[in-house]
Amino acid sequence: QVQLVESGGGVVQPGRSLRLSCAASAFTFSSYAMHWVRQAPGKGLEWVAVISYDGSNKNYADSVKGRFSISRDNSKNTLYLQMNSLRLEDTALYYCARDQAIVVAVPAELGMDVWGQGTTVTVSS
Amino acid sequence: EIVLTQSPATLSLSPGERATLSCRASQSVSFYLAWYQQKPGQAPRLLIYDASNRATGIPARFSGSGSGTDFTLTLTGLEPEDFAVYYCQQRSNWPHTFGQGTKLEIK
Repeated sequence: QVQLVESGGGVVQPGRSLRLSCAASAFTFSSYAMHWVRQAPGKGLEWVAVISYDGSNKNYADSVKGRFSISRDNSKNTLYLQMNSLRLEDTALYYCARDQAIVVAVPAELGMDVWGQGTTVTVSS
Repeated sequence: EIVLTQSPATLSLSPGERATLSCRASQSVSFYLAWYQQKPGQAPRLLIYDASNRATGIPARFSGSGSGTDFTLTLTGLEPEDFAVYYCQQRSNWPHTFGQGTKLEIK
């Protein structure tokens, strides 16, 4: 069945880096835009970043702009989130999600219709 | 940044009742609004996109309405599995912000 599986989370000190991965299966990964969404412990959802089907368009939340980088390798059906200069407030469960569209512009129709189960990032000294 | 305010924060109802959840935007988002359901320990699930379109496999008891700044998610005839947290998200402008959520709990 259509599936997204995140990995790469862990415990990291402030200021360090971490790279998350999201492996896609059972659908044509290269035909969809992809997102990262995070959820701090006990809190709501926060949209983090989006990348178009071919990697040519990217957008970020202000809270991560300049520190996080979203990318994808369509030959490996994998989405990435490179997280640099991590802060305590980046502690969260990170989800990857598939968009129903191939390119997410603004305004954007549709929504995020497939989600992974998330990988936990803990930033702590 | 567009701020989405959801109300109420918590809604206590019984199975079989009707639930009305509100999402208000700080500026017009036209119809570019989605609703998600999240149960404890699970990933969110897309319910409604473009304000009023049910996603694939979503039961007809879920309906969305509204445009501009005021949106409503209505659940008619609550089932036990509907008790969860519901989030709205705007896709009208960057960043694609979420509301803070409404918890629908069993009374």
